Amino acid sequence: GQNIDQPTEMTATEGAIVQINCTYQTSGFNGLFWYQQHAGEAPTFLSYNVLDGLEEKGRFSSFLSRSKGYSYLLLKELQMKDSASYLCAVLDSNYQLIWGAGTKLIIKP
Amino acid sequence: GAVVSQHPSWVICKSGTSVKIECRSLDFQATTMFWYRQFPKQSLMLMATSNEGSKATYEQGVEKDKFLINHASLTLSTLTVTSAHPEDSSFYICSARDGELADTYEQYFGPGTRLTVT
Repeated sequence: GQNIDQPTEMTATEGAIVQINCTYQTSGFNGLFWYQQHAGEAPTFLSYNVLDGLEEKGRFSSFLSRSKGYSYLLLKELQMKDSASYLCAVLDSNYQLIWGAGTKLIIKP
Repeated sequence: GAVVSQHPSWVICKSGTSVKIECRSLDFQATTMFWYRQFPKQSLMLMATSNEGSKATYEQGVEKDKFLINHASLTLSTLTVTSAHPEDSSFYICSARDGELADTYEQYFGPGTRLTVT
């Protein structure tokens, strides 16, 4: 079966750095997405990785290792507004998005 | 660019009635649209995938006669929840893929519709 694992909840301090991990086992791989979702709102796109390595975009970076079936989202200089759920999703061989359950990130002052 | 709208943003209806939710791509042509359902504190659950001009493909366990999807144009898809029951109360989110961008599979999400069935 297809499976995506990410921690259910994480807590971090304002101004700090946090890394949210995602491991996956899917039928084929055509890329991995990270989305941010605030409570009661729709997800918004953060990043897309299809090749191994680190993609940096401002305070957010995303890393992919296809051989390990592993990705992480790195958030730097955390702000209170970063409190949200972070969803990992993999595009499988049929170009269908397989979603993880999401990681709820709580930022404390 | 890549804006998707949904209407209504929230709706309350009585058990047994039907509710229609509209999803529109405002500045691009959406050859493929997706309908998701999300229960509190849970992840997105894909209900169906629709391609313009053809029948929707429903995920296992989703009743196609209860959740009617129509993707009649490149900018509009509708989801009708027929004979709604309280257990259908959920957050319904649509997303769309830009048909002119061949190598990208990013989905642009609408703001969601919160349905409450009393």
